[in-house]
Amino acid sequence: GESVGLHLPTLSVQEGDNSIINCAYSNSASDYFIWYKQESGKGPQFIIDIRSNMDKRQGQRVTVLLNKTVKHLSLQIAATQPGDSAVYFCAEATGGGNKLTFGTGTQLKVEL
Amino acid sequence: DAGITQSPRHKVTETGTPVTLRCHQTENHRYMYWYRQDPGHGLRLIHYSYGVKDTDKGEVSDGYSVSRSKTEDFLLTLESATSSQTSVYFCAISERTGGSPLHFGNGTRLTVT
Repeated sequence: GESVGLHLPTLSVQEGDNSIINCAYSNSASDYFIWYKQESGKGPQFIIDIRSNMDKRQGQRVTVLLNKTVKHLSLQIAATQPGDSAVYFCAEATGGGNKLTFGTGTQLKVEL
Repeated sequence: DAGITQSPRHKVTETGTPVTLRCHQTENHRYMYWYRQDPGHGLRLIHYSYGVKDTDKGEVSDGYSVSRSKTEDFLLTLESATSSQTSVYFCAISERTGGSPLHFGNGTRLTVT
């Protein structure tokens, strides 16, 4: 497939538990942030985004938290399911643009 | 997959040969992008387009060219493929700028021998 999961940090959670995936971003001028999920053999799939004028945004079973002071982004997944197993990427953009800079990803493994 | 088709899905080619990858979208989105994905590097932007015949370079554009003659098609060309261009290539589209999510195709795995 087209996934690139070699040597990625791995987070293992039990089915039904909450997952927290963290991301440290590099550019203090970044003002738009996105989380993507990538399954093996597929392209990144949009999960949720947040702008820098917010510190929290919720979606269906997911919450993104933004801490601009320490340049930290996190993705919380509630009641993690086997279908959540994938590689998760954070991405940032600057100046309201769409040229995303991606992190290297975290592998989430959900154990039954 | 947000109406994005990449072709071919897999290709093996020899060093020095030209290669063209195609991205076709049915969403009528203005912005299109080419990224490559390599272990340890995440996804990196090669080129992008902000309209027909309007393109610009990304962070890893050396050795690549692009063309966009129609809204729906964005081509990535490797004029003379090298082994360092072995990668998975993803096309993405977005509806507008000013912070809107990119939607990705399922990629092309290119191997240069």
